[in-house]
Amino acid sequence: IAGITQAPTSQILAAGRRMTLRCTQDMRHNAMYWYRQDLGLGLRLIHYSNTAGTTGKGEVPDGYSVSRANTDDFPLTLASAVPSQTSVYFCASSLEEGRGAQHFGDGTRLSIL
Amino acid sequence: AQRVTQPEKLLSVFKGAPVELKCNYSYSGSPELFWYVQYSRQRLQLLLRHISRESIKGFTADLNKGETSFHLKKPFAQEEDSAMYYCAPGINNAGNMLTFGGGTRLMVKP
Repeated sequence: IAGITQAPTSQILAAGRRMTLRCTQDMRHNAMYWYRQDLGLGLRLIHYSNTAGTTGKGEVPDGYSVSRANTDDFPLTLASAVPSQTSVYFCASSLEEGRGAQHFGDGTRLSIL
Repeated sequence: AQRVTQPEKLLSVFKGAPVELKCNYSYSGSPELFWYVQYSRQRLQLLLRHISRESIKGFTADLNKGETSFHLKKPFAQEEDSAMYYCAPGINNAGNMLTFGGGTRLMVKP
């Protein structure tokens, strides 16, 4: 089934550890996004990529990094996890750069202890 | 910069009552707007886009340029409509970010 796949589904992580959240899409969408969803704060954009080889910072980029080596994959890395990064992380994509409807993955529930 | 605002974090109605989820936008040009829905512990799904002028699951949303609003409406709420609803722009703002509204949780009580 075409769409976005995120892994892992959930993870409990010790503070200070490094973690990479994976995101893969098979729709050949140009743009991809990472959001975190926190109670009372809605969806906040962490990083985005308008096309393979380019990335940009969103609203809350600190503590996170991304890469876009190809069209399909857009991993999000926490270099040294902190408890405030406990959240649900959603990856999304859109056909066009910076516009249009977004397609979302099922999310990764991350707990930092 | 294109931004949307959802003034209500929570909206609680009884089954069968009308529903209106508010979304206001501030745009420098022609807006492109969407409504997304997220049922409990599920992914966000596209519900409506303003250019289609369609009705999905009984919901409609009309773009009002005079009031700069894109409110989501349904005449008779159902319990299965309980979910988080997000308004979002479809055009990148300054810095190429697509900034979602804060979301409104709709609770439909029996």
